[in-house]
Amino acid sequence: DAKTTQPTSMDCAEGRAANLPCNHSTISGNEYVYWYRQIHSQGPQYIIHGLKNNETNEMASLIITEDRKSSTLILPHATLRDTAVYYCIVRANSNDYKLSFGAGTTVTVRA
Amino acid sequence: DGGITQSPKYLFRKEGQNVTLSCEQNLNHDAMYWYRQDPGQGLRLIYYSQIVNDFQKGDIAEGYSVSREKKESFPLTVTSAQKNPTAFYLCASSKDRAHYEQYFGPGTRLTVT
Repeated sequence: DAKTTQPTSMDCAEGRAANLPCNHSTISGNEYVYWYRQIHSQGPQYIIHGLKNNETNEMASLIITEDRKSSTLILPHATLRDTAVYYCIVRANSNDYKLSFGAGTTVTVRA
Repeated sequence: DGGITQSPKYLFRKEGQNVTLSCEQNLNHDAMYWYRQDPGQGLRLIYYSQIVNDFQKGDIAEGYSVSREKKESFPLTVTSAQKNPTAFYLCASSKDRAHYEQYFGPGTRLTVT
């Protein structure tokens, strides 16, 4: 699976959009981009995933560049409850189900 | 409510003792996983199971064992051979090969002294 690079941390003001970048320059054609988040002392929570097209659900939007070498997770109106570690994961449609979690981005939403 | 339960939330053991962590899911998922998380670190895969009576080692399986006798249960045993067992342990499940979203339990924080 391709490696991802995320900033270590970022701050966001409550009510504003939070844009979380992820670089995955070695991604291959059959690899999906997944985003999870982990609130302190809880299990990770699935947010969204995509292959080529931009995706949106009730939690967030995922923007994938045309060359697929990077992506951005957008939390449209950040709240204090969005404070968490956000993980960008790239994974292929392979025979196993492993997700490789790196260190992620620690997002702190401030009032 | 459907979901994944892990018990207990906190567990304390003496060094040299084996300990078994419980993981149960009522989501009817085929695949189940165990991850370990150390302070300030990401998750590392210990074992995973794609179907009943089958499981594979993950990246850090040494000192751990699992069983998958029932679809809904995937217990993890931390043996005395695990050199640094103190950690936060997370269990997850996913529906099948076509569904890559993994759903996580609340975790068990194991402290071995």
